[in-house]
Amino acid sequence: GQNIDQPTEMTATEGAIVQINCTYQTSGFNGLFWYQQHAGEAPTFLSYNVLDGLEEKGRFSSFLSRSKGYSYLLLKELQMKDSASYLCAMYTGGFKTIFGAGTRLFVKA
Amino acid sequence: DGGITQSPKYLFRKEGQNVTLSCEQNLNHDAMYWYRQDPGQGLRLIYYSQIVNDFQKGDIAEGYSVSREKKESFPLTVTSAQKNPTAFYLCASGLAGEVDTQYFGPGTRLTVL
Repeated sequence: GQNIDQPTEMTATEGAIVQINCTYQTSGFNGLFWYQQHAGEAPTFLSYNVLDGLEEKGRFSSFLSRSKGYSYLLLKELQMKDSASYLCAMYTGGFKTIFGAGTRLFVKA
Repeated sequence: DGGITQSPKYLFRKEGQNVTLSCEQNLNHDAMYWYRQDPGQGLRLIYYSQIVNDFQKGDIAEGYSVSREKKESFPLTVTSAQKNPTAFYLCASGLAGEVDTQYFGPGTRLTVL
């Protein structure tokens, strides 16, 4: 079957580093997305990983291990505006993207 | 400015009424999608369209209908057959190429009373 798991909630302190994990199971896999979604707003694209390894983009980095069915999003130098839900999504091809339930991140002062 | 718009932001309807949610994009994207988002659940695909005059059912199409008469527009009708229509509805578009990066509209929160 197809399944994505990520923690429901996380809390971290302003200025710190936080890692949001995502595990997935699927028969067909093309790549893995991370989106950010503020409450009541549209998800916005953060990253797309196809190959194993870490991709860095400013304060945000995303890691993928295809053999382990595992990804994480790393947020550095946390800011209050980073408080949002982070959606992990696997692209299985053929216009099919399967989204996880999201991890709600609370950043405290 | 290029983007994707949805209207209205909030919508209230009485049970038993059909309602149509608007989605327009000027990004020149071929593919468009409708998702439903409920608390504690991932986005679930309702319908998608790869090209004008063609659309396909997603995972939860029952009680919904769509049309794609123009490249820019992909309206969603929530019919009275949808058992639990109260939700946050998100429209998205994409280039439909090798990487299916989707760009989302601001969403419509539908409440059925």
